[in-house]
Amino acid sequence: NAGVMQNPRHLVRRRGQEARLRCSPMKGHSHVYWYRQLPEEGLKFMVYLQKENIIDESGMPKERFSAEFPKEGPSILRIQQVVRGDSAAYFCASSPTSSYNSPLHFGNGTRLTVT
Amino acid sequence: QKEVEQDPGPLSVPEGAIVSLNCTYSNSAFQYFMWYRQYSRKGPELLMYTYSSGNKEDGRFTAQVDKSSKYISLFIRDSQPSDSATYLCAMSDGGATNKLIFGTGTLLAVQP
Repeated sequence: NAGVMQNPRHLVRRRGQEARLRCSPMKGHSHVYWYRQLPEEGLKFMVYLQKENIIDESGMPKERFSAEFPKEGPSILRIQQVVRGDSAAYFCASSPTSSYNSPLHFGNGTRLTVT
Repeated sequence: QKEVEQDPGPLSVPEGAIVSLNCTYSNSAFQYFMWYRQYSRKGPELLMYTYSSGNKEDGRFTAQVDKSSKYISLFIRDSQPSDSATYLCAMSDGGATNKLIFGTGTLLAVQP
């Protein structure tokens, strides 16, 4: 997990607040993936981004969720008006390319708790 | 039916045992198969990566892929307490996005 940095590690929000999760990919990696892990479930793909572009957001809920990966700075996953069902571990992964032989490297996640 | 099925366990074995972890899948387009290990409160780390059918060995770990049966396995020889973790299988169809589909994970406990 060395290299992919996620913060905060733990985030507590009340219902209706906004959550902002940050991910800095490994050095030299320009491809970022966000996954969500719910209890008793595996990791579920949410969104894939390259610098300044959203490539695949097929796993993102249609409302309240958005992601960006600006030219400078970390990738941000934003959840507006959080609900209890958003409580989960959110993992970011990066790779140098989108090639099949470019394994994903994961961060240690942000654990979001909505009260 | 889920695209990837994995027995959640928990699986408890004595130290030194051979461990067999398995996943089945339904999408015949999957060509790239991975095993990740996830310790509690940590992110997944890549253990093994294989393409198509066959075996791959790395130290105490062996990954097997049987595409005809849509079945993959991870074997751990001489298991150690430090192997205690959740093991996740993951697979990809090799498409343009390198998006992975994960199993739910199997929790393994190796008893000293």
